[in-house]
Amino acid sequence: GAVVSQHPSRVICKSGTSVKIECRSLDFQATTMFWYRQFPKQSLMLMATSNEGSKATYEQGVEKDKFLINHASLTLSTLTVTSAHPEDSSFYICSTPQAGGGNEQFFGPGTRLTVL
Amino acid sequence: SQKIEQNSEALNIQEGKTATLTCNYTNYSPAYLQWYRQDPGRGPVFLLLIRENEKEKRKERLKVTFDTTLKQSLFHITASQPADSATYLCALVYFATDSWGKLQFGAGTQVVVTP
Repeated sequence: GAVVSQHPSRVICKSGTSVKIECRSLDFQATTMFWYRQFPKQSLMLMATSNEGSKATYEQGVEKDKFLINHASLTLSTLTVTSAHPEDSSFYICSTPQAGGGNEQFFGPGTRLTVL
Repeated sequence: SQKIEQNSEALNIQEGKTATLTCNYTNYSPAYLQWYRQDPGRGPVFLLLIRENEKEKRKERLKVTFDTTLKQSLFHITASQPADSATYLCALVYFATDSWGKLQFGAGTQVVVTP
């Protein structure tokens, strides 16, 4: 199956700083990527859909100015958490659809963000 | 809004037995229902998909059923092994005007298989 990587796997930052998370598809071209957030013991929540060459589509309640998404190439999407605060601490995961038709997803390994 | 319920209590099971997990939802049935495995600190891994017009799907030791009348899916792991220990997530897929259907996840059920 396809391989999706994320970098960094873990990041700790001070409140007020910005953090960039990269999501790469290693062996295929991903025109669409999804960004999720997962708090402990909770379900994955879709934050936004990232489309190569166009603006991302954000889910209701997700601030697009706080969570900046850039999908400049077919293999890379980035999520930047701007002016991070402790409540942004979470597990951020990207995914890309498989070709099965049922929107099965290849997920990245996730990025654990801790904001102090 | 759609609510997806998975048993929040961990399922402890002895090796060799069958683990059965439930996924219940409210409101309207999805076009597809998927099951994923998630290990601690890792992203989910796709396991199985079942369509709304299908009753049952199998893959090796895994079996999924889908009952749109009960609004429920059951996920079975037969002949369970300690390596099956993980959290299992169900996800519902709805198609709207987007090209890709949105996935809505349950919170998952942890399975612990003891030797």
